[in-house]
Amino acid sequence: QKEVEQNSGPLSVPEGAIASLNCTYSDRVSQSFFWYRQYSGKSPELIMSIYSNGDKEDGRFTAQLNKASQYVSLLIRDSQPSDSATYLCAVSPQWRSSGGYQKVTFGTGTKLQVIP
Amino acid sequence: NAGVTQTPKFQVLKTGQSMTLQCAQDMNHNSMYWYRQDPGMGLRLIYYSASEGTTDKGEVPNGYNVSRLNKREFSLRLESAAPSQTSVYFCASIRTTQDEQFFGPGTRLTVL
Repeated sequence: QKEVEQNSGPLSVPEGAIASLNCTYSDRVSQSFFWYRQYSGKSPELIMSIYSNGDKEDGRFTAQLNKASQYVSLLIRDSQPSDSATYLCAVSPQWRSSGGYQKVTFGTGTKLQVIP
Repeated sequence: NAGVTQTPKFQVLKTGQSMTLQCAQDMNHNSMYWYRQDPGMGLRLIYYSASEGTTDKGEVPNGYNVSRLNKREFSLRLESAAPSQTSVYFCASIRTTQDEQFFGPGTRLTVL
């Protein structure tokens, strides 16, 4: 079993729809969860971080965390063609790092295609 | 601020050649990382440096060496390149009190 699992996609949604991206993780002690967006040929960039159960909203993005089910998701409302990218889920066992080594495990990513 | 910079952007090597990938950050971050990204494998940690003067192996260190030259710079060296090292290499840094990693633009390396 992979430590962080994501459906590779592609996930195709029409412009204006809600895109739902899912991620499961195996390490129950995980404390920090991240969503990175990676455009083709570019480097990952952080778009959301979440540390507590529930929802966290930032603009059109909502991250949802359920530690009991070991599940984290990313919702993108009013999807735009510019949202077409690969979304990486990342998980860390640490709360807030005070420095030193931050162990982060990345999923292989879900490719999202927003159709105009 | 330039953030995290990497050189070169592209490189083609022949089997057995050596090269050094350079990384620098201007955000005063203590910790720096080298990852490789391969299709279907995700990002895998090669080496990391928790602070200036320290380096440690990550998940896939074989065939690589690193040097933390100072707080800003962290280089990755391939002593004898192999086709299995064909990949995209990313350098990243992290703030001391936050968990978000900031990535450089990447180096696309092909070993023939």
